Amino acid sequence: DVKVTQSSRYLVKRTGEKVFLECVQDMDHENMFWYRQDPGLGLRLIYFSYDVKMKEKGDIPEGYSVSREKKERFSLILESASTNQTSMYLCASRRQGANTEAFFGQGTRLTVV
Amino acid sequence: GNSVTQMEGPVTLSEEAFLTINCTYTATGYPSLFWYVQYPGEGLQLLLKATKADDKGSNKGFEATYRKETTSFHLEKGSVQVSDSAVYFCASLKAAGNKLTFGGGTRVLVKP
Repeated sequence: DVKVTQSSRYLVKRTGEKVFLECVQDMDHENMFWYRQDPGLGLRLIYFSYDVKMKEKGDIPEGYSVSREKKERFSLILESASTNQTSMYLCASRRQGANTEAFFGQGTRLTVV
Repeated sequence: GNSVTQMEGPVTLSEEAFLTINCTYTATGYPSLFWYVQYPGEGLQLLLKATKADDKGSNKGFEATYRKETTSFHLEKGSVQVSDSAVYFCASLKAAGNKLTFGGGTRVLVKP
């Protein structure tokens, strides 16, 4: 089974802190994604990566950056956390190709105080 | 661009009732369509998918048929259980694309 693992289930950070959310997948998938999930807004794509060191902005990239130094790992960085970044963050990976589904991690609930 | 619209919840029903969650999409070409389910406290899991017109995806008693003429992919289950209580997301992936586009999610609550 594909496994996508996010480093933390729950995080509490202070406003202004630099925050790292880590995600690792074990199935050699080319594509990796970071979404945030908010009530009433569904899932919104922050960034995705289609290869090592490659990244592309999603729908809401402001206030975030990403890093993909190794194929299995995709990090989301909040440069200076703000309270409006309190959310559930979901990482996903997917094999390149038509019709392949994405596999999700269990999510990280981040609270910025 | 692509978009996915699904009915807002919450949907509350009794055990053994019939469930329908509507989903429509806009996309150029022929996207692949997916339903994901999110149980409380967990990430999303793939429930079923369909990759071309008239395909029917099915899993765990759930079904959805890819209707090109109505650009729809409605999810149905004939007899729900309490364990089906979850949030359901419809999603599309455009042909040769990388990014899934999700609907807003529909919370379903099944009462005994």
